[in-house]
Amino acid sequence: NAGVMQNPRHLVRRRGQEARLRCSPMKGHSHVYWYRQLPEEGLKFMVYLQKENIIDESGMPKERFSAEFPKEGPSILRIQQVVRGDSAAYFCASSPTGPAIVYEQYFGPGTRLTVT
Amino acid sequence: GDSVTQMEGPVTLSEEAFLTINCTYTATGYPSLFWYVQYPGEGLQLLLKATKADDKGSNKGFEATYRKETTSFHLEKGSVQVSDSAVYFCALRMDSNYQLIWGAGTKLIIKP
Repeated sequence: NAGVMQNPRHLVRRRGQEARLRCSPMKGHSHVYWYRQLPEEGLKFMVYLQKENIIDESGMPKERFSAEFPKEGPSILRIQQVVRGDSAAYFCASSPTGPAIVYEQYFGPGTRLTVT
Repeated sequence: GDSVTQMEGPVTLSEEAFLTINCTYTATGYPSLFWYVQYPGEGLQLLLKATKADDKGSNKGFEATYRKETTSFHLEKGSVQVSDSAVYFCALRMDSNYQLIWGAGTKLIIKP
């Protein structure tokens, strides 16, 4: 059973470009969570999605950031007009169908975004 | 707000040494506590957890005890191996919420 997949593993973008980060949850999982880790800091919750629904985006910056989890395909975290402060590691996690507070979150290897 | 503080790294030890990585937390209620490990090039893996005071989580020779009186969840291992080299994260989650709140991570380097 493949784990949570994230791609690309490393992404370099120039200021002003768009960054698209992909996350494929574990088979059978329908809940996806995105976290961001800034340098020298712990992970910070960004958004929680179920298929075709955003459940909680309280940790997402108000501008330039968006996330989706379509009926088919991976979850996408999109960052428009990237700035140097967006440089970070972005982790995706998934959990099985059911109350999110009950099930463990399984993490992917992360995508390291560097903005030059 | 709720938060987790863990000791800064890197921590460098020789093989077979005793390991302690400190973790303390601040929370308004009674959280569940976790240790995650990230081996080079891999995702975060749950190492162990404890859900109430005085619980001891253990896995792969690692242990941590939930201490409510000191709000701590220190990670220990009696004899480390080179293969334990990784980044270790302490985290908490309130029972009413799915969000994990994380420490900054501690890089552990074990030398042969």
